[in-house]
Amino acid sequence: EAQVTQNPRYLITVTGKKLTVTCSQNMNHEYMSWYRQDPGLGLRQIYYSMNVEVTDKGDVPEGYKVSRKEKRNFPLILESPSPNQTSLYFCASSPSLSSDDYNEQFFGPGTRLTVL
Amino acid sequence: GQNIDQPTEMTATEGAIVQINCTYQTSGFNGLFWYQQHAGEAPTFLSYNVLDGLEEKGRFSSFLSRSKGYSYLLLKELQMKDSASYLCAVRGGYQKVTFGIGTKLQVIP
Repeated sequence: EAQVTQNPRYLITVTGKKLTVTCSQNMNHEYMSWYRQDPGLGLRQIYYSMNVEVTDKGDVPEGYKVSRKEKRNFPLILESPSPNQTSLYFCASSPSLSSDDYNEQFFGPGTRLTVL
Repeated sequence: GQNIDQPTEMTATEGAIVQINCTYQTSGFNGLFWYQQHAGEAPTFLSYNVLDGLEEKGRFSSFLSRSKGYSYLLLKELQMKDSASYLCAVRGGYQKVTFGIGTKLQVIP
């Protein structure tokens, strides 16, 4: 089944304790992206990646890191989480620029993170 | 920067037609998306417009006017399951994607 998976789905942690949220897709997509969703603010793009070893900042990159060492995985790293990073996080992927289907982003199920 | 505006909430009657508007101001434009998001779930893709005009897909249609920075999503023959949030998103320069805050649609009997 074609899908985007995220782990963990739920996480409660404490300020300053490094964490990684994994994202994996099995559709051979080149474009991958991380978003956070907060009430009243909608979905905001954190980082995105056009291809392996190519990453760019979205609108709210502060406090986050990403890496794209292989096409299928795009982990989101919080080196020192703070309470203002409490949010619902979504990973998404879409095909390459050359594909007619490039335009559809497939979203993972979401990760609900609470930082105390 | 990019700014996207859409109504926060709308209510419509089952079987009716509803139009959800979206206006945007962007630096660069590489397409406009509409997504549906049910409460507690991930967004799912509905439509994409990059050229002016109307794109129809079953009960859903999306319109774009690039000169006016305007789009709308039209939902026909509303069903109760269409109660959800509808997200307008614009892909700007460098492939960055900006979402509006979403329009929460309530379909009533």
